[in-house]
Amino acid sequence: QVQLQESGPGLVKPSQTLSLTCTVSGGSITRGSYYWTWIRQPAGKGLEWIGRIYTSGSTNYNPSLKTRVTISLDTSTNQFSLKLSSVTAADTAVYYCARGSGDRTFDIWGQGTMVTVSS
Amino acid sequence: DFVMTQSPDSLAVSLGERATINCKSSQSVLYSSNNKNYLGWYQQKPRQPPKLLIYWASTRESGVPDRFSGSGSGTNFTLTINSLQAEDVAIYYCHQYYSIPRTFGQGTKVEIK
Repeated sequence: QVQLQESGPGLVKPSQTLSLTCTVSGGSITRGSYYWTWIRQPAGKGLEWIGRIYTSGSTNYNPSLKTRVTISLDTSTNQFSLKLSSVTAADTAVYYCARGSGDRTFDIWGQGTMVTVSS
Repeated sequence: DFVMTQSPDSLAVSLGERATINCKSSQSVLYSSNNKNYLGWYQQKPRQPPKLLIYWASTRESGVPDRFSGSGSGTNFTLTINSLQAEDVAIYYCHQYYSIPRTFGQGTKVEIK
């Protein structure tokens, strides 16, 4: 059974770059017609889609974050990553990685990792 | 962007009664070439990630109890929880996967009356 797990620093200073990794276990990241997604949720608030990457390397980003976001894929380690530059307190949130498809949208999620932006 | 608006923001329902949550999209999420609505429903319990309940507006994800059902088409959708159980206390989100950026409703909190 495919599982996802986020990892990365829980505290990032303002203006720096937030970097997270999602490790996919229980199956190859290249298997099937899936894409790999990052979604975030500020405390007590709703869900915001950050972007996605296909195994081809093709990406789509939320226009609201596009200038600051990079999502990449490493098939050799079965991982995909998120980089968000020039962070501010508004980027403080729980960050989730998820598997997506055109049929069942986001069907498998990681447990989430809390990232706080503070000096 | 597709704006997803849920109503109500919260509701309290007695155990065993029905809960109904509405979701309205600012644009149609019905793809004419396959007649499918690109609309999903998620359940999120405290300190947990969202869990997929419904996709294609009305198809239950494997393992989801049949008291959960989805309906609607185009821009108006409903999630119904029949015979509410204590474990159904959660926040429910609708989500469109028709267009980029993917967007979610603001969430509806379901509690026990």
